[in-house]
Amino acid sequence: GAVVSQHPSWVICKSGTSVKIECRSLDFQATTMFWYRQFPKQSLMLMATSNEGSKATYEQGVEKDKFLINHASLTLSTLTVTSAHPEDSSFYICSASSGTGVYEQYFGPGTRLTVT
Amino acid sequence: AQRVTQPEKLLSVFKGAPVELKCNYSYSGSPELFWYVQYSRQRLQLLLRHISRESIKGFTADLNKGETSFHLKKPFAQEEDSAMYYCALRLGGFQKLVFGTGTRLLVSP
Repeated sequence: GAVVSQHPSWVICKSGTSVKIECRSLDFQATTMFWYRQFPKQSLMLMATSNEGSKATYEQGVEKDKFLINHASLTLSTLTVTSAHPEDSSFYICSASSGTGVYEQYFGPGTRLTVT
Repeated sequence: AQRVTQPEKLLSVFKGAPVELKCNYSYSGSPELFWYVQYSRQRLQLLLRHISRESIKGFTADLNKGETSFHLKKPFAQEEDSAMYYCALRLGGFQKLVFGTGTRLLVSP
């Protein structure tokens, strides 16, 4: 089956620094990747949708200058949290869709970000 | 606005009891509905989609356009069904999903 990986699985960084999270589709080409944020015991909130080779589309209320998304290839998307603050601490999840066949989003395992 | 509502945050049942997790949606277009499941410490995974009309792990869900509902049902719950369940709506022509707030199902022995 389709597998999506994320790296790192958890990261701790200091306030003011930037951190990059990678999302890879291991066995399929992902024309579209999605980045979600999940707070404890809450649902997934879509942050942005990215298509390979084009700029990401951000959801309302998501700061695109703070959450930089790059989808440079059909198997890799990155989310960079710039100038991180403690309120950015959260669980970040990516998903990927091949755009072919029956529609499905395949989810990564998530990355726990803690900003101290 | 497009919205998915899961009214129950927690549903607790005993093993062998029937289960129904409620999901209602608000969407003026042609909906495509999904149920995703997240077991403890695992990633979110697709459970079933309405267009397939399939039964996975004994779960079924029927899209009722009149009631704008897509409730998830299982006649006899098992302990291994304990998980977080999310109902999701795909907006026509778009790739993104709108998720409900989720229902935690707890099946006790």
